[in-house]
Amino acid sequence: EAQVTQNPRYLITVTGKKLTVTCSQNMNHEYMSWYRQDPGLGLRQIYYSMNVEVTDKGDVPEGYKVSRKEKRNFPLILESPSPNQTSLYFCASRPGQFMNTEAFFGQGTRLTVV
Amino acid sequence: AQTVTQSQPEMSVQEAETVTLSCTYDTSESNYYLFWYKQPPSRQMILVIRQEAYKQQNATENRFSVNFQKAAKSFSLKISDSQLGDTAMYFCAFMKHGGAQKLVFGQGTRLTINP
Repeated sequence: EAQVTQNPRYLITVTGKKLTVTCSQNMNHEYMSWYRQDPGLGLRQIYYSMNVEVTDKGDVPEGYKVSRKEKRNFPLILESPSPNQTSLYFCASRPGQFMNTEAFFGQGTRLTVV
Repeated sequence: AQTVTQSQPEMSVQEAETVTLSCTYDTSESNYYLFWYKQPPSRQMILVIRQEAYKQQNATENRFSVNFQKAAKSFSLKISDSQLGDTAMYFCAFMKHGGAQKLVFGQGTRLTINP
């Protein structure tokens, strides 16, 4: 089954404790991205990657890091989480730059930083 | 930069009624895509309908249809014969053709279908 898998689905952590949210897709998609969803703001892009070793900032990259060492994986790293990073996070993938197809989303990760 | 605005934070209708969700966007691009996504309580993002800007014909998917007004930069979603399972958060989204392919989302409209 074609899917994007995020882990964990729920996470409660303390301020400053490094964490990683994993994202993996099994569709050989070139393009992957991370979004955060906040009430009244919709979803905003954090980082994106157009292929292996190619990543760039989205609209709200502060406090986040990503890496794309393999095509299928695109982890989101919070080196020193803060309470304002409490949010719902989504990973998404799509085939490539000029492919007119939908984005596939993971199930979401609810992160709470206390 | 592109922006997407959904002016209705919440809506509520009775089952079997027709409901229209509003969306406006701002862009200087001529080639782009517009989407409506549904997010039920499960949090899954589900694509409802897609519209290519170069197509004049409004997209339809079963009970879901759009009214795409390119000059007015308006992209509303009509749900006919609404069902309880349509209860969800709905997001309008914009993506320009090519480049980073970033989805720009509106704030969302929480739709409740009452029995």
